[in-house]
Amino acid sequence: DSGVTQTPKHLITATGQRVTLRCSPRSGDLSVYWYQQSLDQGLQFLIQYYNGEERAKGNILERFSAQQFPDLHSELNLSSLELGDSALYFCASSDGRQDFNEKLFFGSGTQLSVL
Amino acid sequence: GEDVEQSLFLSVREGDSSVINCTYTDSSSTYLYWYKQEPGAGLQLLTYIFSNMDMKQDQRLTVLLNKKDKHLSLRIADTQTGDSAIYFCAETPPGGYNKLIFGAGTRLAVHP
Repeated sequence: DSGVTQTPKHLITATGQRVTLRCSPRSGDLSVYWYQQSLDQGLQFLIQYYNGEERAKGNILERFSAQQFPDLHSELNLSSLELGDSALYFCASSDGRQDFNEKLFFGSGTQLSVL
Repeated sequence: GEDVEQSLFLSVREGDSSVINCTYTDSSSTYLYWYKQEPGAGLQLLTYIFSNMDMKQDQRLTVLLNKKDKHLSLRIADTQTGDSAIYFCAETPPGGYNKLIFGAGTRLAVHP
């Protein structure tokens, strides 16, 4: 068990809908990362937060947004869903106090299916 | 640019050594990583190597880094069925604040 909790584990929805994925980082970790894993794109970095502030942005679509709350949990919001958004979404956390070589701990992911 | 490439599949016999290869494009990457993903689970860090090192050994795992060719490999000695998983190579570009750029992953199948 990595200590990172993601809910829900599975989500089935329809095109055009909006969903929210939730992540609770390991106790004490300040940084949260979101990754998307799909068959055609592999593992893509979406966005990183540190102590409530956005720190780094990757290949995140404008239809997607995220935030990190004062209690350090994070939510990834996906809107106007398309079939191609079906993927496994991972959250990871790290201590956040170093700028490099921090160990990332991954949750077990949320499997999103858009029908 | 940032790009990491791996072969997609590797099949080995139990007890043999496995070698998983990776190439990366960003020569200024400071750290390179190997992660393991078992079915239904998240990624787990196996090992990492700093870019000024050539080799790192950790029990059954040996990481080799050829910085000139931007080639990274992971050798698993005495491969067991429990090693069957997807193995991801990843790099952290400088200034990346621990952002990881992953390869597509190599699926390792271990057969008796």
